[in-house]
Amino acid sequence: GAGVSQSPSNKVTEKGKDVELRCDPISGHTALYWYRQSLGQGLEFLIYFQGNSAPDKSGLPSDRFSAERTGGSVSTLTIQRTQQEDSAVYLCASSSRSAEAFFGQGTRLTVV
Amino acid sequence: GENVEQHPSTLSVQEGDSAVIKCTYSDSASNYFPWYKQELGKRPQLIIDIRSNVGEKKDQRIAVTLNKTAKHFSLHITETQPEDSAVYFCAASWGYKLSFGAGTTVTVRA
Repeated sequence: GAGVSQSPSNKVTEKGKDVELRCDPISGHTALYWYRQSLGQGLEFLIYFQGNSAPDKSGLPSDRFSAERTGGSVSTLTIQRTQQEDSAVYLCASSSRSAEAFFGQGTRLTVV
Repeated sequence: GENVEQHPSTLSVQEGDSAVIKCTYSDSASNYFPWYKQELGKRPQLIIDIRSNVGEKKDQRIAVTLNKTAKHFSLHITETQPEDSAVYFCAASWGYKLSFGAGTTVTVRA
């Protein structure tokens, strides 16, 4: 595709349920990032993938959060046993070396 | 890893005045410094970037300056207009990973 694609655009889930968020990066981009953005707040770094290297998971807020990237392309962010404080917009971005990062439109997660 | 600090967190300017946002970074190896603008409800988008072999870059009303010795870079917006109201993020990278500042909310008053 022409840009970074995220799905779903919106997700409403009940507290305690698991959710999966998907990111399809720009073809050829080896770097992929996940960020979380609460209303009116900045970009909270979650996880970073670069090629076949071990991901940088230093931003994951708890062990309920995990992410994988299959075949160096599509990435899935999984949140287990969702809590209300997980409600936010989850942004994915991809880039190539020392170049612009392109963001997806985000997934707005609401935990009720 | 890289640590990027951004100031101020909020900035209110009169339409037509200039706005300046400053960022500092910690990793002297960083060589790429982009700026992103995020309008309300939209995704962040690149507005200008600079590489370490350049000290200043301009694009119409926006400019970025880089001081590698001091490890800081700044965004300058001249003749501000209402459509400049947004959140602005600076970032720095060496190689692949981008590290972002916390963001500056700019409000242009009519």
